[in-house]
Amino acid sequence: EIVMTQSPATLSVSPGERLTLSCRASQSVSINLAWYQQKPGQAPRLLIYGASTRATGIPDRFSGSGSGTEFTLTISSLQSEDFGVYYCQQFNSWPPWTFGQGTKVEIK
Amino acid sequence: QVQLAESGGGVVQSGRSLRLSCVVSGFTFSSYGMHWVRQAPGKGLEWVTFIWFDGSKQYYAESVKGRFTVSRDDSKNTLYLQMDGLRAEDTAVYYCARGRLARSHFDYWGQGTLVTVSS
Repeated sequence: EIVMTQSPATLSVSPGERLTLSCRASQSVSINLAWYQQKPGQAPRLLIYGASTRATGIPDRFSGSGSGTEFTLTISSLQSEDFGVYYCQQFNSWPPWTFGQGTKVEIK
Repeated sequence: QVQLAESGGGVVQSGRSLRLSCVVSGFTFSSYGMHWVRQAPGKGLEWVTFIWFDGSKQYYAESVKGRFTVSRDDSKNTLYLQMDGLRAEDTAVYYCARGRLARSHFDYWGQGTLVTVSS
């Protein structure tokens, strides 16, 4: 099973700041990695797939990078609506499809 | 537009059964694999099961193998999750999610249905 580890666990950031979230895989997942955003009481929403491709309707302030075992999600200028929990997920080796434990983004 | 809607959640006693449904619209259901993902209260996301587009293969998390069964009825555009032998640790919001292929991201999710297993 591929273990996905995200860091940090929590981030408290002011609007307008740049934010970088990290995700590490226990073995290579190539670029078969996705990022999801989840707000309280809502379902997860796909942000990024293929490590760097934005999903339909996702603002260009969101960007993803990385390959192999190291990945990052960057929000270039944090907006108030970007609060929530962000999860990375690998779909390279399955089963199981595995998620990171999440990074909670709080707005200062 | 693509829509997924789960139903069937509720409160059930430990050891009993429950069947969840996920009705989809806005896409050709028979062309897509489908997942169930769950989220225990205050916890992260846990993949539960995947069924291929044609129903020919199913995969399960070790935590539910032998107790849960995924199926689909393409004539009804509906995905099912039969949950038997429920345990307290199965308490969670259950989401259905679309994944075109096994090696695909989950591009659309339902709103979830809460299953609470009481002891």
